[in-house]
Amino acid sequence: GAGVSQSPRYKVAKRGQDVALRCDPISGHVSLFWYQQALGQGPEFLTYFQNEAQLDKSGLPSDRFFAERPEGSVSTLKIQRTQQEDSAVYLCASSLAQAGVSGIQYFGAGTRLSVL
Amino acid sequence: AQKITQTQPGMFVQEKEAVTLDCTYDTSDPSYGLFWYKQPSSGEMIFLIYQGSYDQQNATEGRYSLNFQKARKSANLVISASQLGDSAMYFCAMRDYSNTGNQFYFGTGTSLTVIP
Repeated sequence: GAGVSQSPRYKVAKRGQDVALRCDPISGHVSLFWYQQALGQGPEFLTYFQNEAQLDKSGLPSDRFFAERPEGSVSTLKIQRTQQEDSAVYLCASSLAQAGVSGIQYFGAGTRLSVL
Repeated sequence: AQKITQTQPGMFVQEKEAVTLDCTYDTSDPSYGLFWYKQPSSGEMIFLIYQGSYDQQNATEGRYSLNFQKARKSANLVISASQLGDSAMYFCAMRDYSNTGNQFYFGTGTSLTVIP
């Protein structure tokens, strides 16, 4: 597709359930990012991939959060044993550039996760 | 300290008028990039404009321009000839090398409403 695609758009989970969120970046984009956006806030960085390598996971809030990009294209963000505080919109972005401050990130529409 | 500060939670503008959305940033790195994104109610973050720290001229993209005042560390977005479709959340973001250079730092956003 032309843009970053995320699925599902909405996910309702019971507390303690595991969830998996998918991101399909723009074809050919080397860099992939995950962000968490709480209600009324700006997005906050979770993790970064360059191709299949996870180079930065400093923003993952706990060891219940896990991300992978095994073939350097599609990425999955997994949250184990979900908690209510995990409720947020999870945004994925991709960038053509490998590094550098000028790399424009293109975002998907996000997955809205609600944990009951 | 906040990397990006947006002090206007909400702004109103009359259709066809110009509006300025404020953004100040904090970094000690000489090399950084500043970005503005629009987030309509659909949730997708739409890239609007980019300004590099070494750029001599203010960036412009159609009706969007960035008023870059380096000494004051401000990067205000100017939208000229506002349209009803401009109603959305607007986020200022910065990327620098202070951490790993991999993440964007976002502000808390400004909600813009265009009045017919």
